[in-house]
Amino acid sequence: EVQLVESGGGLVQPGRSLKLSCAASGFTFSNYYMAWVRQAPKKGLEWVATISTSGSRTYYPDSVKGRFTISRDNAKSSLYLQMNSLKCEVTATYYCARQRTIAAPMDAWGQGASVTVSS
Amino acid sequence: DIQMTQSPASLSASLGETVSIECLASEGISNDLAWYQQKSGKSPQLLIYAASRLQDGVPSRFSGSGSGTRYSLKISGMQPEDEADYFCQQSYKYWTFGGGTKLELK
Repeated sequence: EVQLVESGGGLVQPGRSLKLSCAASGFTFSNYYMAWVRQAPKKGLEWVATISTSGSRTYYPDSVKGRFTISRDNAKSSLYLQMNSLKCEVTATYYCARQRTIAAPMDAWGQGASVTVSS
Repeated sequence: DIQMTQSPASLSASLGETVSIECLASEGISNDLAWYQQKSGKSPQLLIYAASRLQDGVPSRFSGSGSGTRYSLKISGMQPEDEADYFCQQSYKYWTFGGGTKLELK
């Protein structure tokens, strides 16, 4: 069974950093692109970052470029999202998701990690 | 950036009614279009990919169509378990989601 389990969420003050993790199981992690997608409370979905199978290529929207870093450890079947200089507007549930190729849909999602940025 | 305009934002349907949701891309996306269902408090689930291909395990009452910039999701016969939020997503140039459609049972 494919499983994606996020961890590392919580309450953090503005300006601080936070690192999310996503543990994958039930599939060959190194064969998949991986992504982070967030959802602010009562809002829609927003793509946050994507990483290639080897980790050599990363992609970000302008809204997080320079502040967020996606990475992966294929030996540990784990995905990460380092978030720096956090602002209140990044408060959201963060989902990790897998993609078979760069243009493929996100066919498996984790349960989400809640991140709240507040003083 | 490619913008995805989804409509309607919300709709209410009776049991057995056929429902359609539309997505308009700001430029052609060559059928790189997926539809997701998100039930309350749950993570999104893939329904349709490549505009019209049904994901394994998804009921056949769900179907997708479209080309170029216009795409639609149809539910042929609303069921209680179909009450959810629905999102389109393009993967032609990076990834963008539509604003979502809240579908309720009347």
